[in-house]
Amino acid sequence: QSALTQPASVSGSPGQSITISCTGTSSDVGFYNLVSWYQHHPGKAPKLMIYEVIQRPSGVSDRFSASKSGNTASLTISGLQADDEADYYCCSYSSSSTYVFGTGTKVTVL
Amino acid sequence: EVQLVESGGGLVQPGGSLRLSCAASGFTVSSNYMSWVRQAPGKGLEWVSAIYTGGSTFYADSVKGRFTVSRDNSKTTLYLQMNSLRAEDTAVYYCARDWRKGGFDYWGQGTLVTVSS
Repeated sequence: QSALTQPASVSGSPGQSITISCTGTSSDVGFYNLVSWYQHHPGKAPKLMIYEVIQRPSGVSDRFSASKSGNTASLTISGLQADDEADYYCCSYSSSSTYVFGTGTKVTVL
Repeated sequence: EVQLVESGGGLVQPGGSLRLSCAASGFTVSSNYMSWVRQAPGKGLEWVSAIYTGGSTFYADSVKGRFTVSRDNSKTTLYLQMNSLRAEDTAVYYCARDWRKGGFDYWGQGTLVTVSS
């Protein structure tokens, strides 16, 4: 149950697009279309941004999009805004009916 | 409105026990997959345990044999019994509803567990 690998930090200027990668293995990201992404502001509950690899829950801005290729999933934030600054985590369902989160990425809006 | 409220956190000595509760409203715990997720100070999110609609339970290796997830169907409450607690179990514990294994769509605000002498 090793954590999925994410970059520690990603930054961008307002209006720019950024992409966060999430690399797993053929036992989790690469095998299941059950990858989700979370936005987490410290002290608050995490918020689901993407589920089942590419699906966006109602109420989540369409500036958030995602994809997957092989063992790597990606989250793209377009038109970066100040309140996008937060920690972002990916998560995948895994073999043995467990789940594994990513290491987390701190997004900074310059 | 869907809401999850955790309780039961606190300070406990190493080797001690604690039971966390998660009260759900707006939906039925027994009709949904539910999970516990934790975040240690300065660390990332870590999945801890899950219970499915049929009653099957699953655990992270780090807590297997020490933690037990259960639910009270009549009270729509989720529980996490934590035994043999260690310093590394210190974390904010969240309960979350699991949407068909594809994502955790509702989360509580979390309850802090501190394991220290």
